[in-house]
Amino acid sequence: GENVEQHPSTLSVQEGDSAVIKCTYSDSASNYFPWYKQELGKRPQLIIDIRSNVGEKKDQRIAVTLNKTAKHFSLHITETQPEDSAVYFCAASMGDTGRRALTFGSGTRLQVQP
Amino acid sequence: EAGVAQSPRYKIIEKRQSVAFWCNPISGHATLYWYQQILGQGPKLLIQFQNNGVVDDSQLPKDRFSAERLKGVDSTLKIQPAKLEDSAVYLCASSPQFVGLAVDTQYFGPGTRLTVL
Repeated sequence: GENVEQHPSTLSVQEGDSAVIKCTYSDSASNYFPWYKQELGKRPQLIIDIRSNVGEKKDQRIAVTLNKTAKHFSLHITETQPEDSAVYFCAASMGDTGRRALTFGSGTRLQVQP
Repeated sequence: EAGVAQSPRYKIIEKRQSVAFWCNPISGHATLYWYQQILGQGPKLLIQFQNNGVVDDSQLPKDRFSAERLKGVDSTLKIQPAKLEDSAVYLCASSPQFVGLAVDTQYFGPGTRLTVL
């Protein structure tokens, strides 16, 4: 089955700096890659996603890049703010071509220092 | 629109007891998922329903876990008997009916935090 690895496990940045979280996946059939933000004790919230037909997607301070050849994708947060502090999870699925349930990475705890 | 609802939010039981969790997906969402999230880890799929049929239950420990989705709407997940290692947050998620080549976004409920003593 699919395996998703996520790095780093913890990341501390100064407010205003950029943060990058990287994930690799094992199954080349995966074609949908969402990122979720989870604050302590709360539900995972989708912040951005990318499908295999594009290489990059941006939404204000958040961007995701996908390299299908290398089977890795990354989350980029620019101009970080204290409210960005949370655990971020990457995930992968095969969408309509097969297994639609998400396989999650192990999470990255991001701390933005004021 | 209303989100995915789950109850109870918290449950504490002793090992070997049974417990049940309830999920009400977003109205009109055909696909429902149950995930288990152990502290410090990412969610792991337990079972996926499409309407009232099971699509994937390959990771469900069937000797103790069961789930049903009667009438293709609400779902219940049951653990009987519970073990210490079942302590986790149980998340329910739903997504709209698959159409064409679009992959459905999954919306998560607040989860049920289970503690097994």
